[in-house]
Amino acid sequence: EVQLVESGGGLVQPGGSLRLSCAASGFTFSSYSMNWVRQAPGKGLEWVSYISSSSSTIYYADSVKGRFTISRDNAKNSLYLQMNSLRDEDTAVYYCARDRRRSSSNWFDPWGQGTLVTVSS
Amino acid sequence: DIQMTQSPSSLSASVGDRVTITCRASQSISSYLNWYQQKPGEAPKVLIYAASSLQSGVPSRFSGSGSRTDFTLTINNLQPEDSATYYCQQRGTFGQGTKVEIK
Repeated sequence: EVQLVESGGGLVQPGGSLRLSCAASGFTFSSYSMNWVRQAPGKGLEWVSYISSSSSTIYYADSVKGRFTISRDNAKNSLYLQMNSLRDEDTAVYYCARDRRRSSSNWFDPWGQGTLVTVSS
Repeated sequence: DIQMTQSPSSLSASVGDRVTITCRASQSISSYLNWYQQKPGEAPKVLIYAASSLQSGVPSRFSGSGSRTDFTLTINNLQPEDSATYYCQQRGTFGQGTKVEIK
């Protein structure tokens, strides 16, 4: 069974840092690009970051560029999101999601269960 | 950046109804449009990818259509378990969501 399990969320003060992890199983992790998507409480979905299978291509949403860093360890079947200089507006459930692609179309499947990050003093 | 506009933002329908949700792109995106369902407290799951391809395991009452700028998600024979929020997505952009409630 394809499974993604996030961890590392919690309460952090504004300006603080947090590192999220996503453990993958049930598929060949090293063959797939991965994403982080977040959802603020009661709000919609916001894509955060993308990393290709070999880590050669990385993208960020403008809202997190320069503060967040995506990375992966294919030997450990793990995806990471290092979040620095956290702001109140970064409060959200963070999901990791596998990237699926057909020609120029991409979608996210599956998603993990999410980990809650709360930025508050 | 391409903007995705969903409508309506919410709707209420009865079991057995046909429900239509639309997603409009600010410029042509060919058929690069996907639909997700999210139930409260759960992660989203993909229903339709590439505008009209049904994800494996998704009931056939769900269908997608459209191309270029205008897309539609249709739910035929609405069921109680279809109560959820539905999102369209194109690359790194999601629509704002449509909440479907059962009368």
